[in-house]
Amino acid sequence: NAGVTQTPKFQVLKTGQSMTLQCAQDMNHEYMSWYRQDPGMGLRLIHYSVGAGITDQGEVPNGYNVSRSTTEDFPLRLLSAAPSQTSVYFCASSRVGRLSSNYGYTFGSGTRLTVV
Amino acid sequence: KQEVTQIPAALSVPEGENLVLNCSFTDSAIYNLQWFRQDPGKGLTSLLLIQSSQREQTSGRLNASLDKSSGRSTLYIAASQPGDSATYLCAVVGGTDKLIFGTGTRLQVFP
Repeated sequence: NAGVTQTPKFQVLKTGQSMTLQCAQDMNHEYMSWYRQDPGMGLRLIHYSVGAGITDQGEVPNGYNVSRSTTEDFPLRLLSAAPSQTSVYFCASSRVGRLSSNYGYTFGSGTRLTVV
Repeated sequence: KQEVTQIPAALSVPEGENLVLNCSFTDSAIYNLQWFRQDPGKGLTSLLLIQSSQREQTSGRLNASLDKSSGRSTLYIAASQPGDSATYLCAVVGGTDKLIFGTGTRLQVFP
């Protein structure tokens, strides 16, 4: 089924460890983004990409890195995990451009990360 | 900076009631508005997408309206059912193609 696939679904890290959250989409969407969802804070944009080789920061980028080498994949790297990064992470994709008003966003099922 | 607000934050109603969930945004220069549903511990499911040129969209018992000039959208749920219990999120897309979310309305429909 076409959509956005996130792995892993659950992860526990120790403070200081690094890891990569994977996100892949098979809809040939140009736009991909990462959000974190925290109680009382809603969904906040971490990083986004409008195409391969192009990334930019969102609202809460500190402590995270991204790269976009292909249209399909948009991994999120935690460089040195901190308890404040305990959250649920969602990846999303969409079309971009002047026709973007015709398309919505598709979300992955999320990664629940706990940093101890 | 675009800000999206949803009222009420929480709602508890008996089965069968017709519901209205409200969403307001501060910058009317949007491309589209999307309503999502999120069940506890789950991801986001898209319900309705309203393009900036449209006034409303319908899907089954759901109807969403958009008034760009006043910065408002409403999600109407007809004949609510316990299975409708979830958090409902609205989000807008502006010129940067970023999706900006509202704070959500947590809905509980009891039998």
